[in-house]
Amino acid sequence: VQMVESGGDLVQPGGSLRLSCAGSGFDFRTYWMHWVRQGPGTGLVWVARSNSDESYVDYADSVKGRFTISRDNAKSTVYLQMNSLRVEDTAVYYCARAPYAVTIDHWGQGALVTVSS
Amino acid sequence: QSALTQPASLSGSPGQSITISCTGNLGDIGTYDYVSWYQCYPGKAPKLIIFEVTKRPSGVSDRFSGSKSGNTASLTISGLQAEDEAEYLCCSFAGVALLFGGGTKLTVL
Repeated sequence: VQMVESGGDLVQPGGSLRLSCAGSGFDFRTYWMHWVRQGPGTGLVWVARSNSDESYVDYADSVKGRFTISRDNAKSTVYLQMNSLRVEDTAVYYCARAPYAVTIDHWGQGALVTVSS
Repeated sequence: QSALTQPASLSGSPGQSITISCTGNLGDIGTYDYVSWYQCYPGKAPKLIIFEVTKRPSGVSDRFSGSKSGNTASLTISGLQAEDEAEYLCCSFAGVALLFGGGTKLTVL
């Protein structure tokens, strides 16, 4: 089982960025997928989740209306589109898979997003 | 929603049992039986060791056990071994969000 995030970068406040997470070694389409982030010196914070066909997605209040989770099961990839980025969105973003909706069993290694002018 | 509260550090001697607490509130641990525990080593992805309060994934030692009482979940490690020295992280469903604890650094003396 492997999940590899990409797309992390330095972006200015108000900017946009899209993270990708490619899964391998498991049947991607049968899993819920989550994004979780960890800001500098802070703990883990859940960001978003999607079920297998995107019919059920949820977001943390702090990102609702700005971030969008999506997935391409044919490519075994989940995405996080981040718009209207704020300094406080600076964090390492982890994708994670969940065999049951709210139980994460494997994590990626993370992608660093820095929002700064 | 506030993060879950864990002790920052604990220590124990080989062979001993230790218990790590994870305190939430009625809106998370107090209501839902979706508490997970992870074992974390520096530079490596967290490993799931307990899910749904008491269940162990296949391959996880039965020295690890979980429980819950009220708004507090607990992870017990029995027969401490040197390789148990790691950070332990709790997580609970909270209706929509997942909440995480700050992590407990376990030192095996």
